[in-house]
Amino acid sequence: EPEVTQTPSHQVTQMGQEVILRCVPISNHLYFYWYRQILGQKVEFLVSFYNNEISEKSEIFDDQFSVERPDGSNFTLKIRSTKLEDSAMYFCASSGSGGAGDTQYFGPGTRLTVL
Amino acid sequence: GDSVTQMEGPVTLSEEAFLTINCTYTATGYPSLFWYVQYPGEGLQLLLKATKADDKGSNKGFEATYRKETTSFHLEKGSVQVSDSAVYFCALSDRATGGGNKLTFGTGTQLKVEL
Repeated sequence: EPEVTQTPSHQVTQMGQEVILRCVPISNHLYFYWYRQILGQKVEFLVSFYNNEISEKSEIFDDQFSVERPDGSNFTLKIRSTKLEDSAMYFCASSGSGGAGDTQYFGPGTRLTVL
Repeated sequence: GDSVTQMEGPVTLSEEAFLTINCTYTATGYPSLFWYVQYPGEGLQLLLKATKADDKGSNKGFEATYRKETTSFHLEKGSVQVSDSAVYFCALSDRATGGGNKLTFGTGTQLKVEL
């Protein structure tokens, strides 16, 4: 069964450094998402991406964040200058049609630790 | 804005006990409702969903009915197993923007099933 994959599974970085989190969505999906979960808190939407552009973003997704689909298979989240409060589990997801009832398929997550 | 409220965990049950995890929501429109499950060390997996009022989603013995009058989507299972131990997330999607559907999650409820 097709699945979403994410690398790395755990990333440790120093405050102020740039990090890139990588995701490979399901191959025939067209809609891509990033969510994050700070330890003990809710899973929060960051951004959705379709047709090579951001379609919606939350207030969390400020100028320090960017997303890119550099080729036909990868989808990346970049944090330009990490802060302590960026420490969280980051989940990538993809879906086929983008409708309100469409199922999003999630990857296993990348745990980001900012020191 | 949209929000989802779940019962606090952890919930500890004996094998074969009846499970209910309460979920209520607030949304401006007519959302689609989802239950996702996260097993230890894994990503979020869709458990079941319902896209309109009075729909019942079901999977692996779990059920939830979309109740518009009480704005609820409670998860139930008649007889839990140790293998059901996981974190369960209720979520909604209120509308599709044309570029995908943002999911709004509850805080998650940890279920532990003991022999």
